[in-house]
Amino acid sequence: GAVVSQHPSWVICKSGTSVKIECRSLDFQATTMFWYRQFPKQSLMLMATSNEGSKATYEQGVEKDKFLINHASLTLSTLTVTSAHPEDSSFYICSARYPGVISTIYFGEGSWLTVV
Amino acid sequence: AQTVTQSQPEMSVQEAETVTLSCTYDTSESNYYLFWYKQPPSRQMILVIRQEAYKQQNATENRFSVNFQKAAKSFSLKISDSQLGDTAMYFCVFGNEKLTFGTGTRLTIIP
Repeated sequence: GAVVSQHPSWVICKSGTSVKIECRSLDFQATTMFWYRQFPKQSLMLMATSNEGSKATYEQGVEKDKFLINHASLTLSTLTVTSAHPEDSSFYICSARYPGVISTIYFGEGSWLTVV
Repeated sequence: AQTVTQSQPEMSVQEAETVTLSCTYDTSESNYYLFWYKQPPSRQMILVIRQEAYKQQNATENRFSVNFQKAAKSFSLKISDSQLGDTAMYFCVFGNEKLTFGTGTRLTIIP
């Protein structure tokens, strides 16, 4: 079946540095991808919708200058956490919508970010 | 904006028993989908079952079935013959252009 791969699975970075997380659709072209953040023992919070070839649409309260999203190709979206701080430590998950099927969405494995 | 409410933060049930997870939602949309996703300790999100809002027939997937009451905006999940592998966090999810997640129910299957 269709697979979405996320990389890295976990990353530790120093406060003030930037870190990039990649989300790839491995066997289909995804015009729309989504980025979520999940705090411990909480639900998934949608951060932004990433559309290939256009600017991402951010949810209210999400800092677009801090969480840079790029969807440069039909199989890759990236989330860059800029000037990371310890409060940015979290589990980040991406998902990709299967083309033409609004209800078919595949999730990546998630990425643990720890900022020290 | 859509909201999804799961009123049971935690549940536990003996193996082989049946358990029902509750979910209500609020929307002004007429066309949408509803899902139950499972998140085991691995954190991988796994689709359990999907329901199209325009279909009156309740979806079933092997041991998993839903009770979809559109007028009441209710979407409960029934797990029959529960297994140890069913232990996970379960999210009720509203879907149209994007997904809106409920707060989750942590289900534990007791041997």
